[in-house]
Amino acid sequence: DSGVTQTPKHLITATGQRVTLRCSPRSGDLSVYWYQQSLDQGLQFLIQYYNGEERAKGNILERFSAQQFPDLHSELNLSSLELGDSALYFCASSVAGTTSSGNTIYFGEGSWLTVV
Amino acid sequence: GDSVTQMEGPVTLSEEAFLTINCTYTATGYPSLFWYVQYPGEGLQLLLKATKADDKGSNKGFEATYRKETTSFHLEKGSVQVSDSAVYFCALNSGYSTLTFGKGTMLLVSP
Repeated sequence: DSGVTQTPKHLITATGQRVTLRCSPRSGDLSVYWYQQSLDQGLQFLIQYYNGEERAKGNILERFSAQQFPDLHSELNLSSLELGDSALYFCASSVAGTTSSGNTIYFGEGSWLTVV
Repeated sequence: GDSVTQMEGPVTLSEEAFLTINCTYTATGYPSLFWYVQYPGEGLQLLLKATKADDKGSNKGFEATYRKETTSFHLEKGSVQVSDSAVYFCALNSGYSTLTFGKGTMLLVSP
């Protein structure tokens, strides 16, 4: 158990809909990351928050957005869903916001999203 | 930009065989290197890491040595078990806070 908690574990929704994925980081971690894992793209970094502020942005679509709340939990919002958005979405957390002697990033078990 | 290249799988071995999964990288600066493992139906787990050249990371019988001269971080285990069947990801972070992953290598171990 990494200490990173994600909900829901599985989600099935229709095209055009909007969903919210939730993540609670490990106790004491200030950084939260979101990654997407799909068969064709592999593991893709989406976005990072550090202590409530956006720190880095990766291959995140404009239809997707995220935020980190004062209690440090984070939500990833996916809207106008398409079939191609079906994937495993990982949340991860770390203590530091930048690389420092191997800033270890711990992953949750992921949220499986299926768009039908 | 940063990139990680892993050998393509699946790697199929018999129990107690020796395992090597190759990983090479391209990065700016002095990256930290990681191996993550994903067991069937589960999330990513950190397996081991190394933060500077010549460091050896080890865990659960797995080892990997950070080789700066060859920009490599190959994963090895002397005797694999059926329970080691999983997908293994090599990753790095360098100068940025995020991880760059390889495409993953599936390992299948048969009794």
